[in-house]
Amino acid sequence: ETGVTQTPRHLVMGMTNKKSLKCEQHLGHNAMYWYKQSAKKPLELMFVYNFKEQTENNSVPSRFSPECPNSSHLFLHLHTLQPEDSALYLCASSQDQARGYEQYFGPGTRLTVT
Amino acid sequence: GDSVTQMEGPVTLSEEAFLTINCTYTATGYPSLFWYVQYPGEGLQLLLKATKADDKGSNKGFEATYRKETTSFHLEKGSVQVSDSAVYFCALGDMRFGAGTRLTVKP
Repeated sequence: ETGVTQTPRHLVMGMTNKKSLKCEQHLGHNAMYWYKQSAKKPLELMFVYNFKEQTENNSVPSRFSPECPNSSHLFLHLHTLQPEDSALYLCASSQDQARGYEQYFGPGTRLTVT
Repeated sequence: GDSVTQMEGPVTLSEEAFLTINCTYTATGYPSLFWYVQYPGEGLQLLLKATKADDKGSNKGFEATYRKETTSFHLEKGSVQVSDSAVYFCALGDMRFGAGTRLTVKP
């Protein structure tokens, strides 16, 4: 596979469930990102990892927990979510976090919280 | 802080019409500027970029020029096609994105 892949593509979960989103990049990049995209708000940056270290947490609630075991993989662990967390979650990667590098996005996971 | 403001949509055009989507930014220093496009059911993909003042990015008939004096990076295309229907995002190099502009092109 090439590029940035995300699984699952669709997820429906109850508010008491625990689930994880997975992102994998095959581009040899060192920075990875989680974004939330919803109809009501512009694209929101959630977390950034650069060389496996978390460098940004954009005031994200603790019910979202990221994990970056290596430069190629990024997870978003979800627990006790709220209906307003329903959105498209996009993963992206770039050469590194420095300005000037374009980001490559995965297709997203469409999350519905019931 | 740094921010991006882009023209709100939706924008509806007929095929072969001229397209302009406005984008202005506020930033310290001179960030790289990007336009991304998101087709239905997909993630964003880079359309074009410019890394310094007066640079012109271009791709697939789209163009945008980095204007430092007006802090703008407007997207233009001379003749749009139905296949250009998508959502377009202006972005700064520090991961700040505009709200997105939905373009619909009708045959």
